[in-house]
Amino acid sequence: EVQLVESGGGLVQPGGSLRLSCAASGFTFSSYEMNWVRQAPGKGLEWVSYISSSGSTIYYADSVKGRFTISRDNAKNSLYLQMNSLRAEDTAVYYCARGDGSPRGAFDIWGQGTMVTVSS
Amino acid sequence: AIRMTQSPSSLSASTGDRVTITCRASQGISSYLAWYQQKPGKAPKLLIYAASTLQSGVPSRFSGSGSGTDFTLTISCLQSEDFATYYCQQYYSYPPWTFGQGTKVEIK
Repeated sequence: EVQLVESGGGLVQPGGSLRLSCAASGFTFSSYEMNWVRQAPGKGLEWVSYISSSGSTIYYADSVKGRFTISRDNAKNSLYLQMNSLRAEDTAVYYCARGDGSPRGAFDIWGQGTMVTVSS
Repeated sequence: AIRMTQSPSSLSASTGDRVTITCRASQGISSYLAWYQQKPGKAPKLLIYAASTLQSGVPSRFSGSGSGTDFTLTISCLQSEDFATYYCQQYYSYPPWTFGQGTKVEIK
């Protein structure tokens, strides 16, 4: 079964750090682009970050640039998001999402999400 | 960034109704448009990509149309399991990938 499972969320104080992980299974992880998408409580979906299949190309939303770092370990079938200098507005459910394998594609597989709460 | 605007923001409908949701892009995106369904407490699920192609396993009562700047998602005969929030997303010009604000389909 194709699956993505996020972990690492939790409660953190403003200015703190957190590292999210996304474990992939059921497909050849190293062949797919990956993304992080977040959803603040009661709000819509916001794309956060992208990484190419090899890790050579990376993009960030302006709202997290300079604070968040996306990475992947293809040998471990894992995607990561290192989040530093966290702010209250970063509070959200964070989803990892797979690009559908086409050169320009939708996000076809999503994890169940992990909640990040930034509060003192 | 390309802005995606959905309408309506919410609607009330009954089982068996035909429902149409629209999505407008702030500039042309060809057919690089996806629709997602999200139920409370769950992850989004891809329904339609390339504006009109049904993702594998998605019931045929869902359909999508449009190109350029104007798109529609239609549910031909609303079922109880279709009550959810629906999002459009453009993947023509990125970063950033952008989503509409969502349309909540509620029970009348």
